[in-house]
Amino acid sequence: DGGITQSPKYLFRKEGQNVTLSCEQNLNHDAMYWYRQDPGQGLRLIYYSQIVNDFQKGDIAEGYSVSREKKESFPLTVTSAQKNPTAFYLCASSISADNTEAFFGQGTRLTVV
Amino acid sequence: QKEVEQDPGPLSVPEGAIVSLNCTYSNSAFQYFMWYRQYSRKGPELLMYTYSSGNKEDGRFTAQVDKSSKYISLFIRDSQPSDSATYLCAMSEGAQKLVFGQGTRLTINP
Repeated sequence: DGGITQSPKYLFRKEGQNVTLSCEQNLNHDAMYWYRQDPGQGLRLIYYSQIVNDFQKGDIAEGYSVSREKKESFPLTVTSAQKNPTAFYLCASSISADNTEAFFGQGTRLTVV
Repeated sequence: QKEVEQDPGPLSVPEGAIVSLNCTYSNSAFQYFMWYRQYSRKGPELLMYTYSSGNKEDGRFTAQVDKSSKYISLFIRDSQPSDSATYLCAMSEGAQKLVFGQGTRLTINP
């Protein structure tokens, strides 16, 4: 089945720790995105990548880092510098950066304990 | 002022009713308009994708875009309990990031 796979579904992190969220797609899409969703708020863009080995900051990049070493993979690291990391994280992809018809994974719920 | 405004609801209607969901926006450069459906604890699912003004129909769903008024709508006919979800509008200028509305929580009562 073609799609976007995020793992894990639930993740717990202690304060001060870095944690990496996985996102893999087999849709052969060039562009990939990371969004954060908080209760009662729309999705906010953290980082996006238009092509392999390239990525740009979104609206709320502080405290996060990404890499795009392979076309199908776009992992997100939530660092200890992120002040309020507890949220629902969504990965998405689109055919290209020119095409904003984006498809989403099922999300990772991160909780800081 | 937010770039995209969407009433968060909640909106509760009886089964079989026609549902109208709306978003307004301020950026006149937006050209691409989308509606996503999101079930609880799941990722958003793309329902409708339209370019510029006009209507698009897909089964029980109709999307309308009025660029002159900076207003988009999603209509759901013959609503079903399975339509209960949060509906997110999203839009973009083209080769730019998507901007999302806050989402409207909809409940269809049997």
